[in-house]
Amino acid sequence: NAGVTQTPKFQVLKTGQSMTLQCAQDMNHEYMSWYRQDPGMGLRLIHYSVGAGITDQGEVPNGYNVSRSTTEDFPLRLLSAAPSQTSVYFCASRTRQTSGNTIYFGEGSWLTVV
Amino acid sequence: GDSVTQMEGPVTLSEEAFLTINCTYTATGYPSLFWYVQYPGEGLQLLLKATKADDKGSNKGFEATYRKETTSFHLEKGSVQVSDSAVYFCALSSNFGNEKLTFGTGTRLTIIP
Repeated sequence: NAGVTQTPKFQVLKTGQSMTLQCAQDMNHEYMSWYRQDPGMGLRLIHYSVGAGITDQGEVPNGYNVSRSTTEDFPLRLLSAAPSQTSVYFCASRTRQTSGNTIYFGEGSWLTVV
Repeated sequence: GDSVTQMEGPVTLSEEAFLTINCTYTATGYPSLFWYVQYPGEGLQLLLKATKADDKGSNKGFEATYRKETTSFHLEKGSVQVSDSAVYFCALSSNFGNEKLTFGTGTRLTIIP
């Protein structure tokens, strides 16, 4: 029962470094998305995808890239990390047929940029 | 645009107390409403949901009723337990098929024995 799997769980980066947060789901969900969680701000949508080969920007896309080459995987790339990207990142997925738009979340990736 | 306003925390209650966490929303159309819960060190889990006016969502003793006239979706539980300590998020999705969830800022709940 893997669901949505994110790696790594914890990462420390230096300013200017690049890295990729991995996300995989085994539920054959069409929709996948990335959120960031910051204190006092709830969760904000970074990028999302409605299917393989299709991605779009959310509320806070700057500094991040995504791609969706397969239904299962949706990696999030930080091109040049900045301290403002210190946050907790959540990957999420859902099926188009899910009633009431229930979204399933991964366990989160804690990123610190120093 | 869509927005969710949630009761500010933190909230501290004694075990077996009655819980209310207020949530109001602004949205176009007929949104679906959700409560998600985040336990320490974990991701968000769906707690309950309601997809149309007057629907009541319920799970694990928690309830929330979709009130269109007051644009509210308050979370309640009659008798809280220490294990209910978590952060609770109210959220909405304004259109079926819309990928984006709009979240409130979260309410941290601590239950003391």
